[in-house]
Amino acid sequence: AQRVTQPEKLLSVFKGAPVELKCNYSYSGSPELFWYVQYSRQRLQLLLRHISRESIKGFTADLNKGETSFHLKKPFAQEEDSAMYYCALSLHYGGATNKLIFGTGTLLAVQP
Amino acid sequence: DGGITQSPKYLFRKEGQNVTLSCEQNLNHDAMYWYRQDPGQGLRLIYYSQIVNDFQKGDIAEGYSVSREKKESFPLTVTSAQKNPTAFYLCASRTGGGNTEAFFGQGTRLTVV
Repeated sequence: AQRVTQPEKLLSVFKGAPVELKCNYSYSGSPELFWYVQYSRQRLQLLLRHISRESIKGFTADLNKGETSFHLKKPFAQEEDSAMYYCALSLHYGGATNKLIFGTGTLLAVQP
Repeated sequence: DGGITQSPKYLFRKEGQNVTLSCEQNLNHDAMYWYRQDPGQGLRLIYYSQIVNDFQKGDIAEGYSVSREKKESFPLTVTSAQKNPTAFYLCASRTGGGNTEAFFGQGTRLTVV
């Protein structure tokens, strides 16, 4: 079955420390992967997607098909990075890609 | 003001009653989704719709129903068959599938009393 796994419910780091939020997926097709972020009292919003291969707010994520992973990384955490982070997978069905599933989320807490 | 709107923000229901949550978007998006968000369980997909008059069950569809009579609207009905309906419900939409970005509503918190 298709699945997105985020093993850490909570990740607490100090400001300036490196951050890695883990995401593994289970899907036999060609995956489309995303990271979404929810800041306190704000809507869930897109952070980045693997197809763009870009850095957003200092975050990057690389798709590793061999390890079926899409970990989110940032070299130096900032306090404003504190938020809930969700990894998401878009699934293909008969050419009409539609289904979008999420992991359980990781709460990142950056301590001063 | 463009975007995706859920209403109401808070909803109370008596046990045994059906209740309908509203989701409207003016982004001209084809695909729409309903998720349930519970602490520690992330977002779980209830139903999704690719186009008007078409929708598919997600991973936890039991006790829920939807309709997609208009492109802009995707209401979710929580029926009395849903055993644990108290939760936070999120609606989302996106242009299509693949790598397109999903936009989310602000959510509806349903409490069964």
